[in-house]
Amino acid sequence: EPEVTQTPSHQVTQMGQEVILRCVPISNHLYFYWYRQILGQKVEFLVSFYNNEISEKSEIFDDQFSVERPDGSNFTLKIRSTKLEDSAMYFCALVGRSSYNEQFFGPGTRLTVL
Amino acid sequence: AQRVTQPEKLLSVFKGAPVELKCNYSYSGSPELFWYVQYSRQRLQLLLRHISRESIKGFTADLNKGETSFHLKKPFAQEEDSAMYYCALSPMDSSYKLIFGSGTRLLVRP
Repeated sequence: EPEVTQTPSHQVTQMGQEVILRCVPISNHLYFYWYRQILGQKVEFLVSFYNNEISEKSEIFDDQFSVERPDGSNFTLKIRSTKLEDSAMYFCALVGRSSYNEQFFGPGTRLTVL
Repeated sequence: AQRVTQPEKLLSVFKGAPVELKCNYSYSGSPELFWYVQYSRQRLQLLLRHISRESIKGFTADLNKGETSFHLKKPFAQEEDSAMYYCALSPMDSSYKLIFGSGTRLLVRP
């Protein structure tokens, strides 16, 4: 079973600052995803990433957001200029090579924008 | 529009009682349906998926295409079943993204 960790577990930032959330897969993987969950709301799809490029993104994923795999292993979500409404839990998920569309989720990063 | 609806925010039952967590979906094609569970202080994890048609921890879910439903059922609830349950849909013509419902908190009382 693929494992995935996320760092940091909690990030507090000032509005307008850039944040980078990291996802570290522990095993072979195929697809990467980012989701977010604003407090009290549903988990929402942000972006999927396959073969080192974005394969699909939601309307939430605007120009303020970007994803990359800077070292071929870690998978990052960058928010260039945070807004108050970006405060949420951000979950990374991945599909392993042998897990046939079963998404394995990380523990999440709680982002608080002040 | 692709949408998953879970009408109940909270479902409270006594131990040993039957449980049914409702899920309805809206999708024009043939989706894949899932139930994910999140126990206290743990991460989201897959409970079951409709294509596997298996029972996990006593839970079952049947896809009803006519009613566009995928209700989760268990005949005898246990205290350890208390958790958040999310129904999710994966459109088959996408990157296997998940579209989640808003979740139902199941509370099983002793």
